[in-house]
Amino acid sequence: AQKITQTQPGMFVQEKEAVTLDCTYDTSDQSYGLFWYKQPSSGEMIFLIYQGSYDEQNATEGRYSLNFQKARKSANLVISASQLGDSAMYFCAISGGGGFKTIFGAGTRLFVKA
Amino acid sequence: AAGVIQSPRHLIKEKRETATLKCYPIPRHDTVYWYQQGPGQDPQFLISFYEKMQSDKGSIPDRFSAQQFSDYHSELNMSSLELGDSALYFCASSLRQGSNSPLHFGNGTRLTVT
Repeated sequence: AQKITQTQPGMFVQEKEAVTLDCTYDTSDQSYGLFWYKQPSSGEMIFLIYQGSYDEQNATEGRYSLNFQKARKSANLVISASQLGDSAMYFCAISGGGGFKTIFGAGTRLFVKA
Repeated sequence: AAGVIQSPRHLIKEKRETATLKCYPIPRHDTVYWYQQGPGQDPQFLISFYEKMQSDKGSIPDRFSAQQFSDYHSELNMSSLELGDSALYFCASSLRQGSNSPLHFGNGTRLTVT
């Protein structure tokens, strides 16, 4: 079984600063994918970034980067130069193992202060 | 670019009624997923379909059923509705099952059971 743990229910960050959202995972699969999704208060789920278990380089997408530490089973999301529009719920997720499902963590609510 | 389309956006039903939610995946996506998100909760996987066949099943109540049709659209049927079924229901699609396929979510159907 796969599991995602997000230990930060809420985080505050000052506008224009960087913030790291923590994510640890548990899986017995050799091949898996790790994802981060953003859910604004409007409710939609927005895909942000993906990291494959065999990828040696950390994934980056614009202001988002994923700090992947495979031995520690962590996949932290780093948001650089925070903007007010980054205020949202952020979910870490994992898929793999030949199954057709993606499992989500409990989420971290990010508040960006002006 | 075309996105996942869900209908209706909002639905209000009474206890013991039935509801049908529809999902039109992104063209050429071959896998469809259904998730249930209660207030303040992370999305919970219900069921998925790959090439019109059920591919995985999560915590979907026996009162719920789903299918994917020849045109790849999917429907989630919910019977004997309970107050606890009130939630945001997401459909998502991806291209080819695999651990490196991000889910693309629709805007969700908000179901309220009174």
